[in-house]
Amino acid sequence: ELKVEQNPLFLSMQEGKNYTIYCNYSTTSDRLYWYRQDPGKSLESLFVLLSNGAVKQEGRLMASLDTKARLSTLHITAAVHDLSATYFCAVDGLDSYGKLTFGQGTILTVHP
Amino acid sequence: SAVISQKPSRDICQRGTSLTIQCQVDSQVTMMFWYRQQPGQSLTLIATANQGSEATYESGFVIDKFPISRPNLTFSTLTVSNMSPEDSSIYLCRAGGAEQFFGPGTRLTVL
Repeated sequence: ELKVEQNPLFLSMQEGKNYTIYCNYSTTSDRLYWYRQDPGKSLESLFVLLSNGAVKQEGRLMASLDTKARLSTLHITAAVHDLSATYFCAVDGLDSYGKLTFGQGTILTVHP
Repeated sequence: SAVISQKPSRDICQRGTSLTIQCQVDSQVTMMFWYRQQPGQSLTLIATANQGSEATYESGFVIDKFPISRPNLTFSTLTVSNMSPEDSSIYLCRAGGAEQFFGPGTRLTVL
């Protein structure tokens, strides 16, 4: 059974600081997704990572994937208040045929 | 990328009733997925809906409680039957095996 674990689950940051959210998964994966969710909203797709060593960046967010370590990171650079949201990683296992298994989510709060 | 719409966007229902949620995709897809997000929780896959075959349910979810239809390659419905307050959740659909996009969700409150 594929398991996906995120840490930390809660992250309180000051504006301008850097931090990293970690996503570990238990079995070989075909692809890994990062999503953002604002309160009461659906999921906004941030990144799709398809291969070992993949790195993608959008604004202050950068995601990477290490398939050998079964680890993905979401790095936040110089946080701003608008980044406050819940961030999920989700993994598509090799034999799961498109089904995504989600991490618990990381609630990020950025303070002035 | 596919555009996914859901109806209704939200509803408040009485205990014991049923609600059918619709998911429409603007392109043909083989696989559609239904997820549930209970308050303050992550997303859990309910079932996979393939056109022309029975839906495949994940552990803990049964067809009698969550019947699914998939009449064509662009549409699916999920019914939440005999509702109780524990069914209060956001229900989301996702289309396509490799697609990363979700529908806008249906926020269900059961009184």
